[in-house]
Amino acid sequence: EVLLVESGGGLVQPGGSLRLSCAASGFTFSRYWMNWVRQAPGKGLEWVANIMQDGSEKYYVDSVKGRFTISRDNAENSLYLQMNSLRAEDTAVYYCARDQDSLEYFQHWGQGTLVTVSS
Amino acid sequence: AIRMTQSPSSFSASTGDRVTISCRASQGVNSNLAWYQQKPGKAPKLLIYAASTLQSGVPSRFSGSGSGTDFTLTISRLQPEDLATYYCQQYYSYPVAFGGGTKVDIK
Repeated sequence: EVLLVESGGGLVQPGGSLRLSCAASGFTFSRYWMNWVRQAPGKGLEWVANIMQDGSEKYYVDSVKGRFTISRDNAENSLYLQMNSLRAEDTAVYYCARDQDSLEYFQHWGQGTLVTVSS
Repeated sequence: AIRMTQSPSSFSASTGDRVTISCRASQGVNSNLAWYQQKPGKAPKLLIYAASTLQSGVPSRFSGSGSGTDFTLTISRLQPEDLATYYCQQYYSYPVAFGGGTKVDIK
């Protein structure tokens, strides 16, 4: 069974930093692109970033470019999102999601971790 | 960037009704479109991919159609458990983009 478990969310002040983690199990992690998708309270879904199987390619939504960095550790079956210069509008539940055969639609999602940016 | 527009944003329907939700892409995405169902407090659930392919385990009352820029999600006979918000998503090009969502209430 595919399992994705996010952690690392919490309350952070504007301008601060936070690192999210996603622990993967139940599949060969190194064979799949991995993604972060977020959802602000009461709002819709927003794709944030993804990373190729070996980490050599990464893509970001414009609103986080230069502030967020996606990375992975295939030996640890883990995905990360380093978030710097956080803004109030980054407040959201952050989900990790696995791609499907190198196509970016998502059958497998984690339960999400809440990031709140507030003073 | 491709923008995805869903309509309506919300509506109410009765059990047994045929329900259709529309999704329009600002430029062509071929058939690289997925539909998700999200219930409150839960992660989204994949319903359909490749515009019309039903994900394994999803009830057959759900169906998808369209290609290019115009897509439709149909629920043939609405059930109480279908109360949820539905999202379309294009995966034709980066950035991957979701529609704004359609909230379905049961009358």
